[in-house]
Amino acid sequence: DIQMTQSPSSLSASVGDRVTITCRASQNIRSWLVWYQQKPGNAPKLLIYGASTLRSGVSSRFSGSGSGTDFALTISSLQPEDSATYYCQQANSFPPWTFGQGTKVEIK
Amino acid sequence: EVQLLESGGGLVQPGGSLRLSCVASGITFTNHAMSWVRQAPGKGLEWVAGISESGSTTYYAHPVKGRFTISRDNSEDTLYLQMNSLRAGDTAIYYCARGVSAYEGAFDMWGQGTMVTVS
Repeated sequence: DIQMTQSPSSLSASVGDRVTITCRASQNIRSWLVWYQQKPGNAPKLLIYGASTLRSGVSSRFSGSGSGTDFALTISSLQPEDSATYYCQQANSFPPWTFGQGTKVEIK
Repeated sequence: EVQLLESGGGLVQPGGSLRLSCVASGITFTNHAMSWVRQAPGKGLEWVAGISESGSTTYYAHPVKGRFTISRDNSEDTLYLQMNSLRAGDTAIYYCARGVSAYEGAFDMWGQGTMVTVS
């Protein structure tokens, strides 16, 4: 199985800050990488697929980059509503589809 | 309304069984592969099982293979998860999730989840 490792596990940043979350795959997954946002008590929400393709309707503050084994999710200017846990997921090889352990983003 | 609505969760003893359902509305159910994804209390996301659009192909995560069975009834726009030989480690919120048609492996629509407690 492909292991996905996110860092950091949590972060605290101020409104307007640029925030970057990284995700590393245990083997080459090309660009088959997906990002989700999950707010407490809610189901996950798809943000980005194909490593960098923003889902329609998602704020352009969010962007994704990377290929192979190293990926990043960047929030260009952190807003209060971005407080959530973010998960990466590999879509290259299954079963199983595998997720990172999550990164909790808090607002200072 | 466009939604996925799960039901069937509850409290069950170890070794017991439950059947989860997920009814789709407002979407063309037969156009999408579907999956179940679970989240243990305070933990991350874990993909559990998946099924093709027609239902002819199914996939399972290692921890549930042989105990869980995913199925679908396309005439009723409903996804199922039959869970047998339940263990404490199966305690989680179970979400049904719709696969993106043009991008296998991404899930663009999720239900609100149904809680399964094995104790």
